Amino acid sequence: KAGVTQTPRYLIKTRGQQVTLSCSPISGHRSVSWYQQTPGQGLQFLFEYFSETQRNKGNFPGRFSGRQFSNSRSEMNVSTLELGDSALYLCASSLAGVSLGNTIYFGEGSWLTVV
Amino acid sequence: AQKVTQAQTEISVVEKEDVTLDCVYETRDTTYYLFWYKQPPSGELVFLIRRNSFDEQNEISGRYSWNFQKSTSSFNFTITASQVVDSAVYFCALSETSTYTGANSKLTFGKGITLSVRP
Repeated sequence: KAGVTQTPRYLIKTRGQQVTLSCSPISGHRSVSWYQQTPGQGLQFLFEYFSETQRNKGNFPGRFSGRQFSNSRSEMNVSTLELGDSALYLCASSLAGVSLGNTIYFGEGSWLTVV
Repeated sequence: AQKVTQAQTEISVVEKEDVTLDCVYETRDTTYYLFWYKQPPSGELVFLIRRNSFDEQNEISGRYSWNFQKSTSSFNFTITASQVVDSAVYFCALSETSTYTGANSKLTFGKGITLSVRP
């Protein structure tokens, strides 16, 4: 069974640009969530999508957005990149949600560097 | 508010030593789930175990064991006879229910413990 797949794995962007990251969840999983990991703040929840709708959102500015497609694949977008957006972005999937007792499985992440 | 504390930041042991990673959590939820993940240098968070708040039975899986105690809000992880391949960052995480209505997939993570196993 294929795991959570994220692309691209590594990317370098310039301040002010925008970036789109992609995530394919485990087959059959309908919940996709995104996390940002930085040395200073650790792992922080960005948002979650379920059945193509944003179900929950963390405390991040509106420059961070996402969407989910009918096949459960998800993308997240960061506009007007800032140096502080440099981080590892992790996508995770679960059947329906961790609060229901499902396990969340993570992908390998996308390493974003903003210069 | 939810909180997960991993007081140990870095642990270094020699191969074959036993090592325990501590995790203390805070929550107002009566039903919650606790997780341990391992993160090797590649970045992926590898799932190790999930525990329900209503099941305090401790678990052993090969060289890994977990000690869950609700009375002290702790969920500790022990590696027996550590190996070099165990070197990684280990995260404890807690599910969150009370902040959101309906289901969600938010986990609150601790800061992680960097484990180095020397040959």
